[in-house]
Amino acid sequence: GQNIDQPTEMTATEGAIVQINCTYQTSGFNGLFWYQQHAGEAPTFLSYNVLDGLEEKGRFSSFLSRSKGYSYLLLKELQMKDSASYLCAVLDSNYQLIWGAGTKLIIKP
Amino acid sequence: ETGVTQTPRHLVMGMTNKKSLKCEQHLGHNAMYWYKQSAKKPLELMFVYSLEERVENNSVPSRFSPECPNSSHLFLHLHTLQPEDSALYLCASSQELGSGANVLTFGAGSRLTVL
Repeated sequence: GQNIDQPTEMTATEGAIVQINCTYQTSGFNGLFWYQQHAGEAPTFLSYNVLDGLEEKGRFSSFLSRSKGYSYLLLKELQMKDSASYLCAVLDSNYQLIWGAGTKLIIKP
Repeated sequence: ETGVTQTPRHLVMGMTNKKSLKCEQHLGHNAMYWYKQSAKKPLELMFVYSLEERVENNSVPSRFSPECPNSSHLFLHLHTLQPEDSALYLCASSQELGSGANVLTFGAGSRLTVL
């Protein structure tokens, strides 16, 4: 079967760096997405990786290793507003999105 | 108004009621989706429409009935639901289906409680 694994919850300190991991086993691969979802709000797109390597976008970076079935989202200079759930999703060979259950990130002052 | 708008934001219904969820997008997207989001579970894809035609129905019980009258509007009609159907129902749209960087734009969801 197809599976996406990510930690259920993580806690980090304001101003610090946190890395949220995502491992996947899917039928084929056409890209990996990260979305951010604040409580009670819509998920919003953060990043898309289809080639190996690191993509940087301001304080957020996303890394992909296709050979390892692994990605991470790196958040630097954490702010209180970064408290949210982070959803990892993989596009399989049929262009179906396979979702992880999300990682709830709690930022403490 | 821009983006994806869902109404109502909150809905409480009994098991014998009939209600509908509405989704509207003003992005000119050709594909629209209904997802179910339950606590600590992955998003479950329920229905997909492309150019107003249903292209996917993921074994969803018949008590959920989608309708897509045009490319900007999507409805989810609810009938004789069960308490386990209580969840957040998310609508999303995207430019098209079947491409790589197919970014979804989500609405804020309709929180459904079935008593």
